[in-house]
Amino acid sequence: EVQLVESGGGLVKPGGSLRLSCAASGFTFSSYTMTWVRQAPGKGLEWVSSISSVSSYRHYADSVNGRFTISRDNARNSLFLQLNSLRAEDTAVYFCAFELEHDDAFDIWGQGTMVTVSS
Amino acid sequence: DIQMTQSPSSLSASVGDRVTITCRASQSISTYLNWYQQKPGRAPKLLIYAASHLHSGVPSRLSGSGSGTDFTLTINSLQPEDFATYYCQQSYRTPYTFGQGTKLEIK
Repeated sequence: EVQLVESGGGLVKPGGSLRLSCAASGFTFSSYTMTWVRQAPGKGLEWVSSISSVSSYRHYADSVNGRFTISRDNARNSLFLQLNSLRAEDTAVYFCAFELEHDDAFDIWGQGTMVTVSS
Repeated sequence: DIQMTQSPSSLSASVGDRVTITCRASQSISTYLNWYQQKPGRAPKLLIYAASHLHSGVPSRLSGSGSGTDFTLTINSLQPEDFATYYCQQSYRTPYTFGQGTKLEIK
């Protein structure tokens, strides 16, 4: 079964850091671009960052560029998002997702991990 | 960035009704347009990809159309499980922007 499981969320103070993980299973992780999408409480979906299969490109939303870093470890079938200089507006559920069956459409999602930035 | 605007933001309908949700892109995105359904506390689910192609397992009462800047999602004969929030998303270029969502509620 194809599965993505996020972890690493929690409560952090403004200015703090957190590292999110996404454990992948059931597919050839190293063949796919992976993506993080977030959703603030009661709000819509926001694409955050994507990384290509061999980390040759990484793209970021303007709202997180310079503060967040996406990475992956293909040997461990894992995707990461390092969150630095956190702000209250980064409070959200963070989902990892990827395009399994169709290019350019996220058909597989994890269950999400909650990040709360508050003093 | 490409802005995606959905309308309406919310919609009340009854079981058996036909509803249409529209999505407009701020510039042409060809058919790089996807539709997702999300229920409270759950991850989004892909419904339609490339504007008009039904993802596997999605019932045929759902359909998508459009190209360029204007797109629609139509649900025929609404079922209880269709009451949820729907998002469009452009995959033409990063940042892959989403519409603000359309909440479909039971009348």
